[in-house]
Amino acid sequence: DTGVSQNPRHKITKRGQNVTFRCDPISEHNRLYWYRQTLGQGPEFLTYFQNEAQLEKSRLLSDRFSAERPKGSFSTLEIQRTEQGDSAMYLCASSPLDEQFFGPGTRLTVL
Amino acid sequence: SQKIEQNSEALNIQEGKTATLTCNYTNYSPAYLQWYRQDPGRGPVFLLLIRENEKEKRKERLKVTFDTTLKQSLFHITASQPADSATYLCALVPHSGGGADGLTFGKGTHLIIQP
Repeated sequence: DTGVSQNPRHKITKRGQNVTFRCDPISEHNRLYWYRQTLGQGPEFLTYFQNEAQLEKSRLLSDRFSAERPKGSFSTLEIQRTEQGDSAMYLCASSPLDEQFFGPGTRLTVL
Repeated sequence: SQKIEQNSEALNIQEGKTATLTCNYTNYSPAYLQWYRQDPGRGPVFLLLIRENEKEKRKERLKVTFDTTLKQSLFHITASQPADSATYLCALVPHSGGGADGLTFGKGTHLIIQP
């Protein structure tokens, strides 16, 4: 059991660039979540997939953000035209039902 | 507006004592509540889940209570150890969505167990 993995672990980019993060959930989990966490705050929910269907999106998820989960396996989160305010830890979690298993996160720094 | 409040300041507890962390919420009707532990630079780790019709849950040295009248959950660590030092997050799932909604987290309480 390798748990939830996320890549890359760290990403530094310049404002205006596009970035893409990948999440590989625990294989038998059909639920997948994306969160964003800034220093001193708890994770904030961004979006939720059940299998390949994106069932919920937070109001926090602006039009610059898009997420996919093709074939209900791994998921990607893309941020277009990054802004400095996008700097945060992006966390992915998968779940069989209620409790969620988090990955180590991708730390994004936008210069 | 909806709000989840946890002790905003660090909680210092002497090793061997019981640590008690508080989670208060307003304008929520949670289906259930979860507690997670988070270490610096890592993702949260699930600890316990308690449903609205449950008063108390235990797991080894951990105990969670849930009072829907007071809109409060208490998280206890008995016989605390320095290795218990971490940030502890409270998270709610509302009734809507059948439990499939994303978690709404509090800011977390930083617990320090001193030897």
